[in-house]
Parts: sequence; structure tokens; C-alpha cells
Amino acid sequence: AQSVTQLDSHVSVSEGTPVLLRCNYSSSYSPSLFWYVQHPNKGLQLLLKYTSAATLVKGINGFEAEFKKSETSFHLTKPSAHMSDAAEYFCVVSAKGRRALTFGSGTRLQVQP
Amino acid sequence: DAEITQSPRHKITETGRQVTLACHQTWNHNNMFWYRQDLGHGLRLIHYSYGVQDTNKGEVSDGYSVSRSNTEDLPLTLESAASSQTSVYFCASSEDRSKNIQYFGAGTRLSVL
Repeated sequence: AQSVTQLDSHVSVSEGTPVLLRCNYSSSYSPSLFWYVQHPNKGLQLLLKYTSAATLVKGINGFEAEFKKSETSFHLTKPSAHMSDAAEYFCVVSAKGRRALTFGSGTRLQVQP
Repeated sequence: DAEITQSPRHKITETGRQVTLACHQTWNHNNMFWYRQDLGHGLRLIHYSYGVQDTNKGEVSDGYSVSRSNTEDLPLTLESAASSQTSVYFCASSEDRSKNIQYFGAGTRLSVL
């Protein structure tokens, strides 16, 4: 069984300040982990993925995430928020070799000017 | 460019009617998925297919069916629409089983009145 917990349903930051979106996972198997972003009225776009190579994963638009097995965490960070980062972010887990994804409930990121 | 398209983008129907949502991908991906998105639940898997003539139930499959007669299409049918099926529906596809990167359509917003 696998599950994902996104610890914050809403995060608000000021433009130019760091972003931290928290995610904990549970998986019976060696997991693959993803972050997807959804802008209003749009589909989901892959930000980054972890598949057991480097534990620090770099994604698009300056985002990165660190896989910490001991903490079962996969938090998403960005050094400096931009207005265009305002969106909903989903942490996602899948077990290696299994094709179904399990989504967290999402974190809405608000960026204040 | 290859893509995944969903139609219609918006649909209003009445309780008890049969509704079919279309999903078409041009990547020639073997794996296709249907999810529904509801507030507070992230995305939940409805049905999925690993190839032609293959279909599998997901987490919330009751009241839904799919068929896979070719690689490109996975239509989702609501046999008798219920108000609880008012939601946003996303189709996704993936090629690589080990990486399991899924690509999403723009979604269909369905209202059942």
C-alpha cells in the first residue's frame, strides 16, 4: 500500500521569498516520487521526479526536491517565489514497476506581491 | 507535436443519463488512466489500461466503465450519471513502466444535475 500526505493545504509567500511545500509518503515498495503543478483551469504538468538516482532532484522553473528516506519526506522548494508560481501542487507516489499513481490532496500556493 | 486531448471540456447532464467522455493520445503510449479530481481529495484513479483490450478498476470505479479497442483512445462511460459524479475528470497516459511519467489532458468538467 502507498499513501501521500501533504502537510499544508494552503501556503502563502511574498514574491522573492523562499517556497517550501511539504510532503510525506508511505510505500511498501521502493517508491518513485513526483511533484506535479496545476495552474487554474489547466491540466497537470510534471515539475520533477525522483526514481532512485540522486536524492536531490532538480525540476523545471527553479524548483527542486530532496528525497529523505529516513524521514519519508519529499519536500518541494524554490529559493525565490515568482507570481507565476501561484498554483496547486501535488505530491505523488508510485511503487516501482506499478503504473498507478497515488496523489496527495494538494497544496495551494499563493504568492503575494 | 504529440498530445493528449479530452472532449468535451465542459458537460452538463441530467441524473440517470449515460455520458461518455473521450480521451485521445497521439504518443502511442500503452498505458492510459482516468482520474477524477474533487476538493480535498487530490486525484483519484477510476480505471486504467495497460494496452488494447486490457482494462482495470481503480480506487473509485463504481458507476464507471472503460473500453480499449485501440492504442490511442480510452473513453470513460458513466452508465447512469449521479450527482455524486459531478467532478473534473482527467485522462493521462504513460509509456515507460519503470519511470511512470504520466502526461495529462486538460480535463473535462462534468456537472450532473
